[in-house]
Amino acid sequence: GAVVSQHPSWVICKSGTSVKIECRSLDFQATTMFWYRQFPKQSLMLMATSNEGSKATYEQGVEKDKFLINHASLTLSTLTVTSAHPEDSSFYICSARRDSENTEAFFGQGTRLTVV
Amino acid sequence: TQLLEQSPQFLSIQEGENLTVYCNSSSVFSSLQWYRQEPGEGPVLLVTVVTGGEVKKLKRLTFQFGDARKDSSLHITAAQPGDTGLYLCAGAINQGGKLIFGQGTELSVKP
Repeated sequence: GAVVSQHPSWVICKSGTSVKIECRSLDFQATTMFWYRQFPKQSLMLMATSNEGSKATYEQGVEKDKFLINHASLTLSTLTVTSAHPEDSSFYICSARRDSENTEAFFGQGTRLTVV
Repeated sequence: TQLLEQSPQFLSIQEGENLTVYCNSSSVFSSLQWYRQEPGEGPVLLVTVVTGGEVKKLKRLTFQFGDARKDSSLHITAAQPGDTGLYLCAGAINQGGKLIFGQGTELSVKP
């Protein structure tokens, strides 16, 4: 159990376009999902915390209008990178928790975004 | 300010050697997790420790949570090339709170 699927695994888009990344918990309901960004050989940087049915909580320095997060159901959260630019190219990873009392997080396989 | 200091950040060893990775903080954590990540993939949970002084073993990997729940270590015995990867520690200060990640340790085990 505790499988998190992220789609797509990689995407190439043109500068100025928007890209949507999906994160699904396949065998459990996730009240909370997290979105991270990771640069090569570096640790994960938390971008935002997504709670089902409410607005996401963004970390300091993360533009909420650029990185739109929607958590419409207990098994799906989406991250939309709007008006993407080359500097947005990165590895984006989501994670999900099974319940609010448990701090264990299960991660998706990540999405490699390249903006050209 | 990095709340969870992980060291070393890079480690290159020969097959068969032992190694230890450390995570230290001035904060008390309600729980701490260790993850392993391979290039182009998401982190995979290895273990969760919740009790001060707790020791957990996973084959050749031994995880320890400090008595004060401020630090943790990962010890690998007789490392193998398959152990190569990025090891991450992550802790939550509050139950149900967001995870704070260490900087990661890039381990390379050469045959």
